[in-house]
Amino acid sequence: GESVGLHLPTLSVQEGDNSIINCAYSNSASDYFIWYKQESGKGPQFIIDIRSNMDKRQGQRVTVLLNKTVKHLSLQIAATQPGDSAVYFCAENPRVNTDKLIFGTGTRLQVFP
Amino acid sequence: GAVVSQHPSWVICKSGTSVKIECRSLDFQATTMFWYRQFPKQSLMLMATSNEGSKATYEQGVEKDKFLINHASLTLSTLTVTSAHPEDSSFYICSARDVQRAYEQYFGPGTRLTVT
Repeated sequence: GESVGLHLPTLSVQEGDNSIINCAYSNSASDYFIWYKQESGKGPQFIIDIRSNMDKRQGQRVTVLLNKTVKHLSLQIAATQPGDSAVYFCAENPRVNTDKLIFGTGTRLQVFP
Repeated sequence: GAVVSQHPSWVICKSGTSVKIECRSLDFQATTMFWYRQFPKQSLMLMATSNEGSKATYEQGVEKDKFLINHASLTLSTLTVTSAHPEDSSFYICSARDVQRAYEQYFGPGTRLTVT
């Protein structure tokens, strides 16, 4: 069935280092992917998105990479800061002409000094 | 811009009672809103898609008679948990899609429901 999963449930990094959060998706027809950040007790916050016709997109301190061959998505955070500590979810839009998003299982990012 | 609010932010109710949660798009119009449920340390699970002026579309396994959704205007959708039980305790999150911007969804801050 359709699923979006993550390789690492928890990622601990030192402040200032770069973070890489990975996500695998199963539906090759998915055409839109988003990364969200969720802090405790809050709703998801949009970070960055990418369409299937791209393989890389950069934002402020964040980069999303899409490898359609192996159905893999990653989020790179440069110079990780304590404020980046949260749970990160990838989400995919699994079919054309639908607004539905399927969320991955999430990765907790812990930043220590 | 693109702010979505939810009310209440948290609610405690007794088993057997009903609870209504509101989701509002504050500065944009949303023909489509989505309702998610999130249990502790788990991901968001889509419950239903709410379309303005029409019946909601429920995901498989979600009881439509238990989770009543109404999307009466372009800025408001409500989720009513009827005859709530302790297992309905969860974090309920809504999102809204801006009619002006394809694909993008904006999430509300969530509502923590505790059923005693």
